[in-house]
Amino acid sequence: EAQVTQNPRYLITVTGKKLTVTCSQNMNHEYMSWYRQDPGLGLRQIYYSMNVEVTDKGDVPEGYKVSRKEKRNFPLILESPSPNQTSLYFCASSLSAGGPNEQFFGPGTRLTVL
Amino acid sequence: AQKITQTQPGMFVQEKEAVTLDCTYDTSDPSYGLFWYKQPSSGEMIFLIYQGSYDQQNATEGRYSLNFQKARKSANLVISASQLGDSAMYFCAMREGRETGGFKTIFGAGTRLFVKA
Repeated sequence: EAQVTQNPRYLITVTGKKLTVTCSQNMNHEYMSWYRQDPGLGLRQIYYSMNVEVTDKGDVPEGYKVSRKEKRNFPLILESPSPNQTSLYFCASSLSAGGPNEQFFGPGTRLTVL
Repeated sequence: AQKITQTQPGMFVQEKEAVTLDCTYDTSDPSYGLFWYKQPSSGEMIFLIYQGSYDQQNATEGRYSLNFQKARKSANLVISASQLGDSAMYFCAMREGRETGGFKTIFGAGTRLFVKA
């Protein structure tokens, strides 16, 4: 089944404790992206990647890191989480960056930072 | 700065009637794509419809159509014959092209649609 998977689905952590949210897609997509969703703000793009070893900042990259060492994986790293990073996080992928290529979304990761 | 505006935080529609969800956008890139996604209360994001900036005709997908007015920079979603299962949050999104320096994707704040029986 074609899908985007994220782990964990739920995470409660404390301020300053490094964490990684994994994202993997099995559709051989080039474009991958991370978003955070907050009430009243819609989805905001954190980072995106056009292909392996090619990443770029979205609108809210502060406090986050990403890497794209393999085409299928795009982990999101919070080196020192803070309470303002409490949010619902989505990973998404699409066949390529341009054209009529919709994004396929993972199920979301709900993160709480105490 | 590039942005997406959805001016209707919430809307009600009677079952079987049509409804229009508004979306305006702003970009300096001549090449861009516009998307609508649905998010039911279960939380998943579902793609509905796409319109490219160079497309001459309005996009349609089943009961969904996109009223694309390029000069006004609007991309309104029209849902015909509303069903109870259409109750959800709807997001308009824009993915810019190469000229802006990348392929960022920007989402609006969303419109919550309630379909009444």
